[in-house]
Amino acid sequence: NAGVTQTPKFRILKIGQSMTLQCTQDMNHNYMYWYRQDPGMGLKLIYYSVGAGITDKGEVPNGYNVSRSTTEDFPLRLELAAPSQTSVYFCASSPGLAELFFGEGSRLTVL
Amino acid sequence: DAKTTQPPSMDCAEGRAANLPCNHSTISGNEYVYWYRQIHSQGPQYIIHGLKNNETNEMASLIITEDRKSSTLILPHATLRDTAVYYCIVRSSRQSNDYKLSFGAGTTVTVRA
Repeated sequence: NAGVTQTPKFRILKIGQSMTLQCTQDMNHNYMYWYRQDPGMGLKLIYYSVGAGITDKGEVPNGYNVSRSTTEDFPLRLELAAPSQTSVYFCASSPGLAELFFGEGSRLTVL
Repeated sequence: DAKTTQPPSMDCAEGRAANLPCNHSTISGNEYVYWYRQIHSQGPQYIIHGLKNNETNEMASLIITEDRKSSTLILPHATLRDTAVYYCIVRSSRQSNDYKLSFGAGTTVTVRA
């Protein structure tokens, strides 16, 4: 099993550009999450999903959008990128009330 | 969810046990204690979790005090590869509260040769 796969691993954006971070998991987990981690800080929850077609906001949703059309995929969309969105983004999945499995992260720089 | 307090950093010697404390004095009866770690630049990795009883797996042991207000993660024989940030998290067992798993700053553990 590949687990949780994130693409791209690195990306540089200009202010105002948009992009989508891809996340896919092959463990048939219902729950999926997007976190961001700024340097030296803990992870902050952006959005989460409890199943296909269901998403909800986390702690820091502003500037982001998500969709969940399939169990496997949970893309994170950044609209009008800003320098404050420079961060490392982690996608995770879980089978329910159990441990989270994380991807390797996507490192985004907005200049 | 209850908040946790961890020391910002600690050192330990390779081959010795590393004891990582966590205070969760406002924990409620249905909240579990979870530990994750994050090795530099990687995604966090689950270590262990518990409710009341002490727990042990191939990675670590978790000791929870009788009043559940604090816990200790024990890495029995620390290696250089255990150098990481360790997060102590309390998590409700009730579905309505469970999804917003919050990671604080954690404890940066440095294992020295």
